[in-house]
Amino acid sequence: SAVISQKPSRDICQRGTSLTIQCQVDSQVTMMFWYRQQPGQSLTLIATANQGSEATYESGFVIDKFPISRPNLTFSTLTVSNMSPEDSSIYLCSVEDRIGVPLSGANVLTFGAGSRLTVL
Amino acid sequence: QQPVQSPQAVILREGEDAVINCSSSKALYSVHWYRQKHGEAPVFLMILLKGGEQKGHEKISASFNEKKQQSSLYLTASQLSYSGTYFCGTVGGAGSYQLTFGKGTKLSVIP
Repeated sequence: SAVISQKPSRDICQRGTSLTIQCQVDSQVTMMFWYRQQPGQSLTLIATANQGSEATYESGFVIDKFPISRPNLTFSTLTVSNMSPEDSSIYLCSVEDRIGVPLSGANVLTFGAGSRLTVL
Repeated sequence: QQPVQSPQAVILREGEDAVINCSSSKALYSVHWYRQKHGEAPVFLMILLKGGEQKGHEKISASFNEKKQQSSLYLTASQLSYSGTYFCGTVGGAGSYQLTFGKGTKLSVIP
């Protein structure tokens, strides 16, 4: 399966600043996904990023707050803009991945280790 | 619609069995199970598809009741390494990549 590297692994940020998280995959993938995991909570999809097109955002997430770039098939960035303490979360990059036997249109996700952001 | 998991937390002694349940209020195409250890990335365990196909780790078993839109993950003869938070994720349509995750079940295995 794919190997994903995320940077930074953790950061402490000041209110009002922005931070860009990088996600590098060791193989070419069509779709990349950005998730948020608030402390002790589930994983919530922020957006889907396809190379060469605008990211698709889920309800409750907007491009001005979470701009995403996808310049090629192995890399993506997520920026958390104008941060507030409510943005303190783990942000995870993931890719759709084959698991050996291609099951009827079903793919699974491989996740990066996440970027833990604390906003003061 | 977020799937509902139960129980929220469970404590087991090594060697005991556990069942984690996941239910949805809408029709499902597939159910995915992931385990996340503290401070680590979620790791894929099992996928179950409408129609009966499934793929996953040898020591993990699960079921998918399409009519009831429910799935259960069976952990038998638990080991300390089974500790973590288990998430089910559901997909509503064939070809969709959008996983909606439940709130998770925290499993603690003690000696």
